[in-house]
Amino acid sequence: DVKVTQSSRYLVKRTGEKVFLECVQDMDHENMFWYRQDPGLGLRLIYFSYDVKMKEKGDIPEGYSVSREKKERFSLILESASTNQTSMYLCASSLQGLSNQPQHFGDGTRLSIL
Amino acid sequence: DAKTTQPNSMESNEEEPVHLPCNHSTISGTDYIHWYRQLPSQGPEYVIHGLTSNVNNRMASLAIAEDRKSSTLILHRATLRDAAVYYCILRAHGSNTGKLIFGQGTTLQVKP
Repeated sequence: DVKVTQSSRYLVKRTGEKVFLECVQDMDHENMFWYRQDPGLGLRLIYFSYDVKMKEKGDIPEGYSVSREKKERFSLILESASTNQTSMYLCASSLQGLSNQPQHFGDGTRLSIL
Repeated sequence: DAKTTQPNSMESNEEEPVHLPCNHSTISGTDYIHWYRQLPSQGPEYVIHGLTSNVNNRMASLAIAEDRKSSTLILHRATLRDAAVYYCILRAHGSNTGKLIFGQGTTLQVKP
């Protein structure tokens, strides 16, 4: 089975801090994604990557950056955390083929910015 | 991506089959139909997907109407662990982001 592991289930940080969320997948998937999930807003795509060192903006990239130095690892960075970035963050991976390949998700990181 | 419509909630008894409907009347010819579910406090989980023909896997079956304007996810024997929010999603062929757009989904309750 595919395993997508997010480094923390719960995280509490302060406004202005630089925050790193880590995601690792063990199935040699080319594509990796970062979403946030908020009540009433569903899933929103922040960034995705289709190859090492490649990244593409999703729908809400402002205030975030990403890093993909190795195929199995995709990091989300909050450059200067703000309270409106309090959310559930979900990482996913998939094989090549953006429209028909299923995405496999981690269990999420619930991030609170105080 | 085209829109889908699902009932807000459904109930089932344990060990009985469950049929979860999804309407997608504006589906285009190359849209794939995907189903995911999300259990409480967990990330979404892929269930099944199809294009035109009915599909079966170890988790569920997907029945697609001949005109493709609707589909039904079938859980053959519901268990308490199947209680989750089920999302029906259309994914456009040739999408340049691959993003998943989750609607409100159907909250399935399974009674012992």
